Formats: sequence, C-alpha cells, structure tokens
Amino acid sequence: EPEVTQTPSHQVTQMGQEVILRCVPISNHLYFYWYRQILGQKVEFLVSFYNNEISEKSEIFDDQFSVERPDGSNFTLKIRSTKLEDSAMYFCASKGESETQYFGPGTRLLVL
Amino acid sequence: GNSVTQMEGPVTLSEEAFLTINCTYTATGYPSLFWYVQYPGEGLQLLLKATKADDKGSNKGFEATYRKETTSFHLEKGSVQVSDSAVYFCALSPTNTGNQFYFGTGTSLTVIP
Repeated sequence: EPEVTQTPSHQVTQMGQEVILRCVPISNHLYFYWYRQILGQKVEFLVSFYNNEISEKSEIFDDQFSVERPDGSNFTLKIRSTKLEDSAMYFCASKGESETQYFGPGTRLLVL
Repeated sequence: GNSVTQMEGPVTLSEEAFLTINCTYTATGYPSLFWYVQYPGEGLQLLLKATKADDKGSNKGFEATYRKETTSFHLEKGSVQVSDSAVYFCALSPTNTGNQFYFGTGTSLTVIP
C-alpha cells in the first residue's frame, strides 16, 4: 500500500542553524501539507501546497519557514534559523481526490 | 470557526472493557470527520472517517457516528485489547477542497491485561 515517507526520522540541531525536512508524498496525490506537534500538545497545521504554490498557511508559518517541491517526488520544509521552540514532531501529509489526508511517520526535531 | 474538542486523557482500561472517547466539533459548513491513531513511535494512521451526517465509520472494531444535531463524533469500541494502546486524535476537514485538518488534543489510551 502506498505511504508517505519522511527523512530523517530524528534531527538534532543547534539554535540558529538551518534544517531541511524531507517528505515523499504518495505518488498520485496533488495536495501536500506540513503539520507539527509539540510534545504533549495538539497537532497544528503549518502549510498546505497545491499546484506548486502555497494554498494556505497558519500564523506559525512565518518567514523562517519555506516549502518546496524541488522535483516530482519530494516535498521539503526548510526552517532557516531554528529556535528552541521549533522543537517538535513534524508530520508531512498528502491527499488525493478523496478528503482523507495520509500522514508520514514524522521527523522529530530537537533544537539545542 | 473550526475547532475540535476532545476528551482529555489519559485513559486506562482493563482488557475487554468498553471504550468511549468523546469528540465534539465546531465547523462552518458540512465537514468530514476523522479519527486517527498514533501508536508509540509511529505517525498518524487513519482509523476511520465519516463524510456526512448520520454516517458511521468503522474499522478494527472501532466505530464513530457523525451526529450533526449534537456536533459529535465519539469513538467507541466494545472490547479493547492491549494492542489498542495508543493516542487517538479526532479531526475535521471543513470541505473537500484541500483545506487543513483541525485536530483535537489527542487522548492517550492504555489497556492493561
């Protein structure tokens, strides 16, 4: 069964460093998303991406964040200058024709 | 606006007990409703869904009915197993236009033998 994959599974970085989180959505899906879950808190929407552009973003998704679909398969989230409060589990999701979003296993980011 | 309110945990049950996790929502329009499950160390997996009022979603012995009159989508299982131990998230999708999902806070369930 097709699934969303994410790399790396864990990332430790120093405050102020740039990180890139990678996702491979399900191949025939057209909508892509990033969410995050700070430990013990709810899953929060960051951004959605459709037709090679951002379709919606939350207040969390400020200028430090960017997304890209550099080729036909990858979907990346870049954090330019990480802060301590960026430590969280980041989930990628993709959606096809149905309303269901399919989530990847997540990348756990720790900012020191 | 759109939001999901979910029963707080943690919930601890003995094996074969009956499970209910409450979920209520606020939405504009006619959302689709979902339950996702997160097993330890894993990502979010779709458990079940319902796309219109009075629909019942079911999977692996879990059920939830979309109740428009009470704006609820409570998750139930008649007899839980140790392997059901996980965190359960209720979520809504406002429309089928690619919009974001809105999640509840998650309910941690531990089933003891």
